[in-house]
Amino acid sequence: QSALTQPRSVSGSPGQSVTISCTGTSTDVGGYDYVSWYQQYPGKAPKLMIYDVNKRPSGVPDRFSGSKSGNMASLTISGLQAEDEADYYCCSYAGNVVFGGGTNLTVL
Amino acid sequence: EVQLLESGGGLVQPGGSLRLSCAASGFTFGSYAINWVRQAPGKRLECVSSITSSGASTYYADSVRGRFTISRDNSKNTLYLQMNSLRAEDTAVYYCAKDQRSWNSGGMDVWGQGTTVTVSS
Repeated sequence: QSALTQPRSVSGSPGQSVTISCTGTSTDVGGYDYVSWYQQYPGKAPKLMIYDVNKRPSGVPDRFSGSKSGNMASLTISGLQAEDEADYYCCSYAGNVVFGGGTNLTVL
Repeated sequence: EVQLLESGGGLVQPGGSLRLSCAASGFTFGSYAINWVRQAPGKRLECVSSITSSGASTYYADSVRGRFTISRDNSKNTLYLQMNSLRAEDTAVYYCAKDQRSWNSGGMDVWGQGTTVTVSS
């Protein structure tokens, strides 16, 4: 199973919005509404931020939102804050579970 | 408190074996699928193995199939990963992660702190 494709890095200024894309195929992202997003700080375990494409677990700020169109999913973070600087991974069900390559978000 | 605690990592020579354990607490362990997710230094997350809530179904990544075996003991609230024929490329932090469902949907809402496996001579 090939990894999902994410941009290596994105950046934005505090208060702005950024969108991270996650491109798969019809056998993973496009085939199921089971896309999730994880936030990971260096040396820490990942944290679930979005599941089932656009649902937020309790405690995750509503600045984080998810969407999907065809074979591409997106994570949008609005009102960027310094604490959002981290790595973000998308993940999709595909009969098994496949992750993206990860995107490093820099808050300028 | 909902918690997963991995143990069993360490330094092992190529070709050797290790058994990782993941002790769960604070939730009904037997109701959820559990995944082993690893991360090599500076690399992406990789789900190497998953097991459904009952243990009836398992999944292995191509990179570990035939060498790793996942199992669970719901009476002990514990997940295991038996790793044989270890290779240098298996060096990583190994996390156990609870799925939100009884099958591995990818929505992993509880993660352990990770245990480090280093394969080197």
